[in-house]
Amino acid sequence: EVQLLESGGGLVQPGGSLRLSCAASGFTFRNYAMTWVRQGPGNVLQRVSSISGDGYTTDYADSVKGRFTISRDTSKNTLYLHMDNLRADDTAIYYCARCRGFDFWSGSCIEYWGQGNLVTVSS
Amino acid sequence: DIQMTQSPSSLSASVGDTVTITCRASQTISSHLNWFQHKPGKAPKLLIYGASSLQSGVPSRFSGSGSGTDFTLTISSLQPEDFAIYFCQQNFITSYTFGQGTKLDIK
Repeated sequence: EVQLLESGGGLVQPGGSLRLSCAASGFTFRNYAMTWVRQGPGNVLQRVSSISGDGYTTDYADSVKGRFTISRDTSKNTLYLHMDNLRADDTAIYYCARCRGFDFWSGSCIEYWGQGNLVTVSS
Repeated sequence: DIQMTQSPSSLSASVGDTVTITCRASQTISSHLNWFQHKPGKAPKLLIYGASSLQSGVPSRFSGSGSGTDFTLTISSLQPEDFAIYFCQQNFITSYTFGQGTKLDIK
């Protein structure tokens, strides 16, 4: 059974940093692209970032480019999202998600989701 | 970005009813559309991928159709466990935009 468990969320001040983790199990982690999706106020879902199975290809939403970094550690079966210079509009539930294949291009994502982890950016 | 417009935003129905939810893309996405079910506190669950393919383990009362810009999710013979939020997602381009969601509740 595919399981994705996010952690690392919480309250952070504007301008601060946070690192989210997603522990993956139930599948061969290195064979699948992964994605972070967030759900902000108003329940709007937004794809944040994606990474290929080997970690060499990444992609970001314009709103987080230059501030967020996606990475993965195959030895730990863990996906990460490092978030810098956080803003109030980054407040959201952050979901880890697995794609259907090695790449995240057309037709591949999303197949499985985690339960989500809340990040609140406020002073 | 491709905009996904989903309707209705909410829907009331009874056990045994058949309901339809629609999703419209602002430009053609071929058949690159997923449908998900989401219950509070749980992980969203993939129901339909590629617009009309049933995900493994999903009951056959769920079906999807459409291509290009207009898509439909149909749930036949509603069961008590089907009352949830449903949303669509395009994966034609990597922005993976989502519909606003449809809350299906019991009449």
